[in-house]
Amino acid sequence: NAGVMQNPRHLVRRRGQEARLRCSPMKGHSHVYWYRQLPEEGLKFMVYLQKENIIDESGMPKERFSAEFPKEGPSILRIQQVVRGDSAAYFCASSPQTGWTEAFFGQGTRLTVV
Amino acid sequence: EDQVTQSPEALRLQEGESSSLNCSYTVSGLRGLFWYRQDPGKGPEFLFTLYSAGEEKEKERLKATLTKKESFLHITAPKPEDSATYLCAVQLLSGAGSYQLTFGKGTKLSVIP
Repeated sequence: NAGVMQNPRHLVRRRGQEARLRCSPMKGHSHVYWYRQLPEEGLKFMVYLQKENIIDESGMPKERFSAEFPKEGPSILRIQQVVRGDSAAYFCASSPQTGWTEAFFGQGTRLTVV
Repeated sequence: EDQVTQSPEALRLQEGESSSLNCSYTVSGLRGLFWYRQDPGKGPEFLFTLYSAGEEKEKERLKATLTKKESFLHITAPKPEDSATYLCAVQLLSGAGSYQLTFGKGTKLSVIP
């Protein structure tokens, strides 16, 4: 019974490169949420996706960030032209289709921009 | 604006010394309050969900309680392996907050042998 799987666990990118973060939800879960945790800050909501649909991206920066959750395959959080301020831990959570009482998080991807 | 405030920011306890962590919230309609444990370099690990004032839940040395304005996480006779950051988060009844979790900044607990 695999939990939420994120990869890679650690990612180093130079300024201006692209970062792709992947999240496979728990089995039977079709809703995915991305959160960002900056150093010394709390977890902040970024985007909520269902299969092939972005439901709410209000927490995502307007530029350079995008997310998708295709019919097949993992959810992808994409950051174009990364800057030092993008360095953070990015966490994915998933929930079942019919609502949830527990939200399960993955182990996160730690992005370092050098 | 919906807010979640956790106190203290950091807490050092001797092994066996019981204490409580606080999470106060200001929200317009609470659906659920969540407690998570986060170890360094790991993702948040779900502990409890509380839904209504007066509700209590227990797991090993941890007990979570909820009032209309705050929640407490009581740690009884803690052990060094309880050392972690404890996160509190709220889920709202409606709107975007019904699926987003709004987190506090956490309390970093250190239990000294």
